[in-house]
Amino acid sequence: KNEVEQSPQNLTAQEGEFITINCSYSVGISALHWLQQHPGGGIVSLFMLSSGKKKHGRLIATINIQEKHSSLHITASHPRDSAVYICAVRSRGAQGGSEKLVFGKGTKLTVNP
Amino acid sequence: DAMVIQNPRYQVTQFGKPVTLSCSQTLNHNVMYWYQQKSSQAPKLLFHYYDKDFNNEADTPDNFQSRRPNTSFCFLDIRSPGLGDAAMYLCATSGRVFGQGYEQYFGPGTRLTVT
Repeated sequence: KNEVEQSPQNLTAQEGEFITINCSYSVGISALHWLQQHPGGGIVSLFMLSSGKKKHGRLIATINIQEKHSSLHITASHPRDSAVYICAVRSRGAQGGSEKLVFGKGTKLTVNP
Repeated sequence: DAMVIQNPRYQVTQFGKPVTLSCSQTLNHNVMYWYQQKSSQAPKLLFHYYDKDFNNEADTPDNFQSRRPNTSFCFLDIRSPGLGDAAMYLCATSGRVFGQGYEQYFGPGTRLTVT
């Protein structure tokens, strides 16, 4: 079982729909990241959470530390939101004190016009 | 704008011919990471530098080496690329403070093709 599980693996929506992507993790963490990767592109950090909820434009991220679960919501989805969304948790590395990211496998979102 | 820069964005090399990928940052972050990402897979950490301290992942092949001559620059050297090394290589940085969850900032990546 992966330490970070995302669902769904693939998601297709119509423009304007409300979208939810879920992430569950099994390890102790200091923070959780939501990342966005467009096809063939680099990774952009959307949110870093250690508790509660954050909002940026149409994007909302929540985390429940007790339940080890986080959700990423997209309101009024748009075709330009089509990308892979990756959940990654920050766990403490063994060397040097640097914290390493453990990645989920990603959720491929396609928003159709 | 402060950022993580990777050059080149696309690199083609021949089987067995050494290749170097570069990463620079203007964030003055003390930690720099190199990830390998193959198609439809999650990024895989190869190694990272905490200041000048090099930290290699246990399963990173010896074929992969790294250099960090100063805070701003970090290089990934692939001594003898094989076809299986074709991938996107991502550089990332993060700030110092332990346990306060500094974000990792990712570069745009270098897509390596091995012919």
